[in-house]
Order: sequence, then structure tokens, then C-alpha cells
Amino acid sequence: GQQLNQSPQSMFIQEGEDVSMNCTSSSIFNTWLWYKQEPGEGPVLLIALYKAGELTSNGRLTAQFGITRKDSFLNISASIPSDVGIYFCAGPSQGAQKLVFGQGTRLTINP
Amino acid sequence: SAVISQKPSRDICQRGTSLTIQCQVDSQVTMMFWYRQQPGQSLTLIATANQGSEATYESGFVIDKFPISRPNLTFSTLTVSNMSPEDSSIYLCSVVGGQGMNEQFFGPGTRLTVL
Repeated sequence: GQQLNQSPQSMFIQEGEDVSMNCTSSSIFNTWLWYKQEPGEGPVLLIALYKAGELTSNGRLTAQFGITRKDSFLNISASIPSDVGIYFCAGPSQGAQKLVFGQGTRLTINP
Repeated sequence: SAVISQKPSRDICQRGTSLTIQCQVDSQVTMMFWYRQQPGQSLTLIATANQGSEATYESGFVIDKFPISRPNLTFSTLTVSNMSPEDSSIYLCSVVGGQGMNEQFFGPGTRLTVL
């Protein structure tokens, strides 16, 4: 089945730094979704991408849909303590609406 | 986006028992899904909850272990049957929405610990 490889698995940064994480696949995805999950909560949708090359922002977050449709990245600028959590990329599996998820990137911020 | 609630939010259960998790949505939705998130892991789809018919299970998940009901377009239940410690996970329901119906929105999850 389709798989998403997300990196890095974890990041330890200082408050104020910029963050970059990415997601790759061996197969094409028509949609890329980025979620954030905080402890004790379900994942919250941050950004949805629908077109190859699309660059979309949500506040300090920016995500891009790769031209090859096999990758996507998420950037967070000027990180703050509330950015702590696990970030997941996801995409619809085999064109269906059920999602396949990356392994997640755990973000830790030192104040 | 739809508001999704789950009950219970957490539970501690004994081996061999069963637990039914409820998922309630504040609006009618066509598609609902159930996911499992094992400790420190990503989300894995268990099944698609179909209204008026049997759920569609993913490879590795069976109806006898995870029976699902979907009596209407706003409600679904997932039962974890004959539990073992390996079933300790967070169980999440989700609904489809957004542009092109490709976005999914998740409930807060049910954290299950099996002793």
C-alpha cells in the first residue's frame, strides 16, 4: 500500500527558530494534509494542499505541494512554545477518501 | 468544520472485557472512519463506518474484534472486544469534509488502557 515517509522524526529547537519538516512518497498523491496533535487531543488539520506546486500559508505555517506530487513540506517560522506537538502529513490512499499518515515529527521547543 | 465528540475520553479495562466507544457529530456526514493510534505511533485506519450497512475493514482488522455500528449520519460506535494489553491505544473517529471532500476532521480520541 501507499506509504508516507516523514522526516525528521523529532526536532529539538530554541524558541524563535524556524522549523522545516517534509514528507515523501513513492507514489503520487492528489492531496496533502498537514495535522498537529497535542497530548490528549485528536489531530487538528492545519493546511490542505490540492495542486502540485501550491504554496499555502496559515499564520506562521507554510506548506507546499511538491511538483512531482510525491512530496510536501511544512515550515513554521519564529517558533513559540505553543507549537509543541506532533505534526503529521497525510494523504488519501489510492484515490479513496481514507487517509494514510506519515510517522509524525515530534517538535520540542526550549524556551 | 463539524464538531465531533467521543465517549468515554479514557478508560482502564480488564483483560477479556469489551468496551464500546461512541462518536457523535453535530451535523450529518456521509463518511465516518475509525482509527487506532498505538503508543508513540502514527494513526492506522481500522474501518470505514457505513450508514445502513456493514463497516468496511482494513487489512489486519476484523469485525469480530472491532464491531462497528452506524445507525444514522451523526453517530457511530466502535467496540473493542475481548481486550488484551495490546489493544491499549488511542481510538479516534473522523469525518470527511472540506474542499473536494478530501479533508478529515478528528474527534478528541478515547485513550484505552488494558490491564
